[in-house]
Amino acid sequence: QKEVEQNSGPLSVPEGAIASLNCTYSDRGSQSFFWYRQYSGKSPELIMFIYSNGDKEDGRFTAQLNKASQYVSLLIRDSQPSDSATYLCAVSAGGGADGLTFGKGTHLIIQP
Amino acid sequence: EPEVTQTPSHQVTQMGQEVILRCVPISNHLYFYWYRQILGQKVEFLVSFYNNEISEKSEIFDDQFSVERPDGSNFTLKIRSTKLEDSAMYFCASPSSTDTQYFGPGTRLTVL
Repeated sequence: QKEVEQNSGPLSVPEGAIASLNCTYSDRGSQSFFWYRQYSGKSPELIMFIYSNGDKEDGRFTAQLNKASQYVSLLIRDSQPSDSATYLCAVSAGGGADGLTFGKGTHLIIQP
Repeated sequence: EPEVTQTPSHQVTQMGQEVILRCVPISNHLYFYWYRQILGQKVEFLVSFYNNEISEKSEIFDDQFSVERPDGSNFTLKIRSTKLEDSAMYFCASPSSTDTQYFGPGTRLTVL
């Protein structure tokens, strides 16, 4: 049974600070790792993906992957109130057929 | 971000009725996915569809469900004899040129 674990939160971060979101996964065969943002009542929106160990930066977002520890994280720099949402971690074995396995998500609140 | 469209946005049905949910994925991609999200729960993979055939399905995707590609651009998810517990958001997803999946806006299914 593939599992993806996230702290459900809420995680409260002051505006302008760094928000750190974490995720662990159970399937060592996982090859592809994704972070989605979901606003209440909306669909998941892809914000980052990472395939290799290390860091990947895109604007204010940095994804970090450690396959040995089966750990993925997302850092959001200069947090804005509009970043308040639920952040979903998802993993797959790679390849087109594989569906994504999602965590329950971390609810992030950016305090103005 | 590539656009995936879904119709209807909200479907209300009586228990035991059949529903058909529709999706228009990103053009020129052969892979296609359906997910569901029960209110307050995580996003769950249902099925992947490749070149007019089911490629992979989860335990949730039982005989009650079917997927079709009735024409060149539309995909459908059919739920026969709906149950109360089928009430959820149903998302279709389509890949981009990489291993990423972009989600449509979803159909909210309410079974009464």
